[in-house]
Amino acid sequence: GQNIDQPTEMTATEGAIVQINCTYQTSGFNGLFWYQQHAGEAPTFLSYNVLDGLEEKGRFSSFLSRSKGYSYLLLKELQMKDSASYLCAVRAGNTGKLIFGQGTTLQVKP
Amino acid sequence: DGGITQSPKYLFRKEGQNVTLSCEQNLNHDAMYWYRQDPGQGLRLIYYSQIVNDFQKGDIAEGYSVSREKKESFPLTVTSAQKNPTAFYLCASRKQSADQPQHFGDGTRLSIL
Repeated sequence: GQNIDQPTEMTATEGAIVQINCTYQTSGFNGLFWYQQHAGEAPTFLSYNVLDGLEEKGRFSSFLSRSKGYSYLLLKELQMKDSASYLCAVRAGNTGKLIFGQGTTLQVKP
Repeated sequence: DGGITQSPKYLFRKEGQNVTLSCEQNLNHDAMYWYRQDPGQGLRLIYYSQIVNDFQKGDIAEGYSVSREKKESFPLTVTSAQKNPTAFYLCASRKQSADQPQHFGDGTRLSIL
């Protein structure tokens, strides 16, 4: 079967660094995506990993280890506006279909 | 501006009624997707289409129907057979290239009257 696990909730302090983990089990792995979703809004694309290693984009970085079925999203210099849900999604096969985790709700406190 | 437009933003359904959610994109994307999101849960795939006049069932297609007569449009009908339709519905589209992400519309929130 296919399964994606993320922590349900996390809390962090403004200005700090937070790491959101995602583990997955899937056949035909073909890339991992991270999305940010503010309450009541559409998800917005943050990052994409298909090869092992770290991808950096400003304050956000994403890491992938295919052998371990593991990814993390790293958010640096946290701001209050980073309070949102962060969705990990795995693509399996060539249809572009994504399998989403339940999402991690991050609360940033002053 | 290019983007994905979903309408209406809020929709109410009566018992035994079919309702149709609109999704239009002007990004020239080939692939389009419909998801359902329930509170505190991730997105679940209802239907998807990779090309005009063709679509496939996702993980939770029962009680839903779609059509793809034009590249720009992928409407979703929630039929009376869907007994628990209250949810946030999201449409997405994607350029058919390996590293391209799905881009989402702003969603339609459907409730039962």
